[in-house]
Amino acid sequence: EAGVAQSPRYKIIEKRQSVAFWCNPISGHATLYWYQQILGQGPKLLIQFQNNGVVDDSQLPKDRFSAERLKGVDSTLKIQPAKLEDSAVYLCASSLVSQGLRGEQYFGPGTRLTVT
Amino acid sequence: AQSVTQPDIHITVSEGASLELRCNYSYGATPYLFWYVQSPGQGLQLLLKYFSGDTLVQGIKGFEAEFKRSQSSFNLRKPSVHWSDAAEYFCAVGAQYGGSQGNLIFGKGTKLSVKP
Repeated sequence: EAGVAQSPRYKIIEKRQSVAFWCNPISGHATLYWYQQILGQGPKLLIQFQNNGVVDDSQLPKDRFSAERLKGVDSTLKIQPAKLEDSAVYLCASSLVSQGLRGEQYFGPGTRLTVT
Repeated sequence: AQSVTQPDIHITVSEGASLELRCNYSYGATPYLFWYVQSPGQGLQLLLKYFSGDTLVQGIKGFEAEFKRSQSSFNLRKPSVHWSDAAEYFCAVGAQYGGSQGNLIFGKGTKLSVKP
């Protein structure tokens, strides 16, 4: 079974530029999560999708971050414009919706973003 | 509010020695508790989880954890550490609210180094 795919793996941009990350979850996983992991911290949830609908985006900085999951499968996370403090690893995870918290979240390898 | 505290930022143990990583949580109800491991450049992998029942939980790679409600703790243990266990370990508590499928709140992690 293929795991969660993310691209790119690394990205370096200058502040005020825009950037987009892509995630393809495990086939059949209706729930998709984007996390931000700043160096020295644990992952922090940015947004959760169930199919193509948002169920929790309370911690997403909506003035600069946006995310979509148009067909209920893959997803993109965008930052525009980027700030220095956005430097982090962006992790995508997916899980089976029917299991809720009892289901395992499977994580992708992440995208390491450096903003200079 | 829910939170997770991992008091040890970095631990070094000798190969073959026993290991205990500490985790304390704050949560109003019976918590869902998880331990994840993250190797360099990799996503997070679930080691074990606790929902209810037996307070001693067995996981993959020879790890176990014990839930102690009176101490609000969920410490991770391994009787004999292997060099391949060197990684960062994250404790997380699951919170389910609103219409979400539940989210994970992570601690800041404990980095484990293994001496030969």
